[in-house]
Amino acid sequence: DTEVTQTPKHLVMGMTNKKSLKCEQHMGHRAMYWYKQKAKKPPELMFVYSYEKLSINESVPSRFSPECPNSSLLNLHLHALQPEDSALYLCASANGRYSDTGELFFGEGSRLTVL
Amino acid sequence: AQKVTQAQTEISVVEKEDVTLDCVYETRDTTYYLFWYKQPPSGELVFLIRRNSFDEQNEISGRYSWNFQKSTSSFNFTITASQVVDSAVYFCALSEAVNTDKLIFGTGTRLQVFP
Repeated sequence: DTEVTQTPKHLVMGMTNKKSLKCEQHMGHRAMYWYKQKAKKPPELMFVYSYEKLSINESVPSRFSPECPNSSLLNLHLHALQPEDSALYLCASANGRYSDTGELFFGEGSRLTVL
Repeated sequence: AQKVTQAQTEISVVEKEDVTLDCVYETRDTTYYLFWYKQPPSGELVFLIRRNSFDEQNEISGRYSWNFQKSTSSFNFTITASQVVDSAVYFCALSEAVNTDKLIFGTGTRLQVFP
């Protein structure tokens, strides 16, 4: 079982809806990540939070809005999405820098379909 | 610019065969980190190994082994005596010391192991 929990596992929404994806980890990790993965493609980094502060935004459209309420939680708020935003959204966490630990822990993802 | 190439899109083998997944990377950094992740059908990426650029020792972990060669910018992964449970998509990835929070994934290799 993964130690990074994502909810919901599946989400279908219309282009005018507002929804949120949630990610939770209780490993005390200092960094949390959102990745987007289209079918048969590699994951692409969207956002990184380090010590609850946004440290990386990979030029993601503003219809995706991340939020880190505390060190264990990471949300991704969705508004006015397009059908091409349909994808698997993966959350991950890490403790320390890759040079220290080398491991990123991933959740099972939230599969989003935009109609 | 950094780049990871996995030229093999799909590989099919019969159980107990050995299989090697190729990974070639490009980076201008002298300090960088290489990774392999496994993505089973359930969706979450599972960390397999990390190597830093100063450690060219090959590694063996059970049926898995990795061959890191800086001279050819390659980090290949071999599964010995493959099993059906090894069926998954395998991603090679790179992060550079200047921005270790950003993991660049290759396009992945889908491995199917048939009984």
